[in-house]
Amino acid sequence: QQQVRQSSQSLTVWEGETAILNCSYENSAFDYFPWYQQFPGEGPALLIAIRSVSDKKEDGRFTIFFNKREKNLSLHIKDSQPGDSATYFCAASQGGRALIFGTGTTVSVSP
Amino acid sequence: GPKVLQIPSHQIIDMGQMVTLNCDPVSNHLYFYWYKQILGQQMEFLVNFYNGKVMEKSKLFKDQFSVERPDGSYFTLKIQPTALEDSAVYFCASSSTGGAGEQYFGPGTRLTVL
Repeated sequence: QQQVRQSSQSLTVWEGETAILNCSYENSAFDYFPWYQQFPGEGPALLIAIRSVSDKKEDGRFTIFFNKREKNLSLHIKDSQPGDSATYFCAASQGGRALIFGTGTTVSVSP
Repeated sequence: GPKVLQIPSHQIIDMGQMVTLNCDPVSNHLYFYWYKQILGQQMEFLVNFYNGKVMEKSKLFKDQFSVERPDGSYFTLKIQPTALEDSAVYFCASSSTGGAGEQYFGPGTRLTVL
């Protein structure tokens, strides 16, 4: 059973649009939710993260919306650029323990 | 930003042989992790390591796996003996603050067991 699920395996958007990536989780004790960005041949890099006490976290063009009651969150990439084309992983952890990753969503931004 | 290096980038070995994957973590980091990613699947936690000890490990961290960081040098993952199902990309990560803190990942070592 997947503890962290990403609903879309892939997503294509036009340049300038907002890409929305969805993630849900099983364990209500998870309290930290980072999103990682990974380019081919590289390791994942932390993009933005939120803790369960917040419902929104914004950093530039990237925003996380978090719904604790529904156990889901989403990453919004505003004004998508071709350089945003990558695989995005939602992850979760509980009380400082190991990160549990979702299966990733590959985003393609078409110019 | 801070860099984690992994050596080698690719390794091909025969089943049953021993392999050591090396990780050069961020210099002032104290927490170290290994993750395994099979092609097309999500990254899965193997183990984390702090102060010379394994702090937490998953079911994927079989008895054939071991980790160490002798004298503050490379953080290593050793698999002995290897099995076909060990073929994957192994990512090392390090963190200054432990589990919930930002983990910096290396580029991965692609291990192929024949």
